[in-house]
Amino acid sequence: GQQLNQSPQSMFIQEGEDVSMNCTSSSIFNTWLWYKQDPGEGPVLLIALYKAGELTSNGRLTAQFGITRKDSFLNISASIPSDVGIYFCAGRAAFASKLTFGTGTRLQVTL
Amino acid sequence: AAGVIQSPRHLIKEKRETATLKCYPIPRHDTVYWYQQGPGQDPQFLISFYEKMQSDKGSIPDRFSAQQFSDYHSELNMSSLELGDSALYFCASSSPKWIYNEQFFGPGTRLTVL
Repeated sequence: GQQLNQSPQSMFIQEGEDVSMNCTSSSIFNTWLWYKQDPGEGPVLLIALYKAGELTSNGRLTAQFGITRKDSFLNISASIPSDVGIYFCAGRAAFASKLTFGTGTRLQVTL
Repeated sequence: AAGVIQSPRHLIKEKRETATLKCYPIPRHDTVYWYQQGPGQDPQFLISFYEKMQSDKGSIPDRFSAQQFSDYHSELNMSSLELGDSALYFCASSSPKWIYNEQFFGPGTRLTVL
């Protein structure tokens, strides 16, 4: 089956630093989504990507859909304490409705 | 804006009991998805419904069943509960714009099986 490898697994950064995380897949996806999840809560959609090469921003967040359609990355600029949480990438293959999630990146921000 | 509603938020059951989880999608969303998330794991797709018909099926045990009703809400029925069923169960919904498939998640139901 499809597997999504997400890295890094966890990050400890200082407030104000930029953050970068990525996902790679063994197969092609038509859609890439990035979610943030707080403990015990549901994932919250951050950015959606629909075309290979697409670069999309949402405030301090920027994400790109890889040209090969097998990868995506998320950048967070000037991190703040409320950025703490687990970030998941999720991909949707052609003709499928389900999302396949990455393994998650746990972000912790120190003051 | 209205979000996905799930009930109950917390549920405690004994082994071999049954449980029913409910999901109310965002208004005008016609597709619902169920995911299971174990401790420290990523969400795993269980099943989805589009216009009240099952549209996709993942790693859902035979002990589980689900349906979508005419008002688009969905229920996940779980029987013969096992300890390993303890997890967060999320429902997500998406709009009729199929190509975009932005799935919006509810707050989840935490199921604990004792």
